[in-house]
Amino acid sequence: DQQVKQNSPSLSVQEGRISILNCDYTNSMFDYFLWYKKYPAEGPTFLISISSIKDKNEDGRFTVFLNKSAKHLSLHIVPSQPGDSAVYFCAARSDNYGQNFVFGPGTRLSVLP
Amino acid sequence: DVKVTQSSRYLVKRTGEKVFLECVQDMDHENMFWYRQDPGLGLRLIYFSYDVKMKEKGDIPEGYSVSREKKERFSLILESASTNQTSMYLCASSSLSGPPTDTQYFGPGTRLTVL
Repeated sequence: DQQVKQNSPSLSVQEGRISILNCDYTNSMFDYFLWYKKYPAEGPTFLISISSIKDKNEDGRFTVFLNKSAKHLSLHIVPSQPGDSAVYFCAARSDNYGQNFVFGPGTRLSVLP
Repeated sequence: DVKVTQSSRYLVKRTGEKVFLECVQDMDHENMFWYRQDPGLGLRLIYFSYDVKMKEKGDIPEGYSVSREKKERFSLILESASTNQTSMYLCASSSLSGPPTDTQYFGPGTRLTVL
């Protein structure tokens, strides 16, 4: 049973509009969350993170929102650019897992020019 | 810049062959990880290591083993490759001395096909 879920396998957005990628988790012990971005034939690269003591973290065009009561986080990209087209993975950790993260299945974002 | 390199980008092997996947990182990171990535399943942890000669099983260790003889190098071994091990294999490293939530840095991946 997946502890980190990304229920949308794919998402298409027009250039300049907002992209919203969602992630749900089941383990209430998760206390830190990250988003990774992966281009084809490359390894994932870190994008943005959020600690469970916050409900929002912003870095340029990227904002992550955390709703602990709903066990839900989302990544907003505004404005979306064609270069944002990639697979986005949500990941979570807790002390139970030590240095390890649990990854979601990923959402493929396509930003259309 | 952290650099994590993997010995091969693409590999084709036959069922029953022994396969070695090598990973090297140049940032003196203590932690190293092996994942496999499959469509719809995301990244699943196979094995990880927090120190030289130390290894721990991840979520899907069956059919795999690892070796960490030097701090910078972490090898994944498929003792007898099977077709269900066809996948993208990703190596990652992270620092133990940073915050507990230090990010993992990934290599480019090895696409392994077992025929």
